[in-house]
Amino acid sequence: EPEVTQTPSHQVTQMGQEVILRCVPISNHLYFYWYRQILGQKVEFLVSFYNNEISEKSEIFDDQFSVERPDGSNFTLKIRSTKLEDSAMYFCASSEAVGDYNEQFFGPGTRLTVL
Amino acid sequence: EDQVTQSPEALRLQEGESSSLNCSYTVSGLRGLFWYRQDPGKGPEFLFTLYSAGEEKEKERLKATLTKKESFLHITAPKPEDSATYLCAVQVTGNQFYFGTGTSLTVIP
Repeated sequence: EPEVTQTPSHQVTQMGQEVILRCVPISNHLYFYWYRQILGQKVEFLVSFYNNEISEKSEIFDDQFSVERPDGSNFTLKIRSTKLEDSAMYFCASSEAVGDYNEQFFGPGTRLTVL
Repeated sequence: EDQVTQSPEALRLQEGESSSLNCSYTVSGLRGLFWYRQDPGKGPEFLFTLYSAGEEKEKERLKATLTKKESFLHITAPKPEDSATYLCAVQVTGNQFYFGTGTSLTVIP
């Protein structure tokens, strides 16, 4: 069964450093998403991406964040200068379509720890 | 402001004891309501999508219903393997999603 994969599973970084979180969505999916979940809190939407551009972003997704689909398979989330409060689990998701059929498949997540 | 509220926060059931989880929402431009299951340390796993009031969907011991202001996830005769956190999310105009804080379900053998 196809699945969304994410690497690394755990990333530890120093405050102020740049990190890139990687995701490989399901191959025939067209819509891609990043979410984060701070420990003990709700899942928060960050950004959705379609046709090589951002389609929606939340207030959390400020200038420190960027997303990219550098090739036909990877989807990345870059945080330019990490802060302590960026420590969270980051989930990538993909879906085949949006609207009437929008089952999102989530990856296992990357746990980001900022020291 | 768009809001999604789930209750109860935690629920302990005996195996076979049926119950319901609630998701209430105040959003503008609802496009769909989603239920997910999340096991510890894992990503959410899709269960159901509901699009219009009155809609119902079933999967094994789970049944989801939707009204104009809330959704219920009914669990019939739960088993220990149903223990997980159940998340509700709404999709609003455009392609943004808002999640509730979840209901942590524990089913005791």
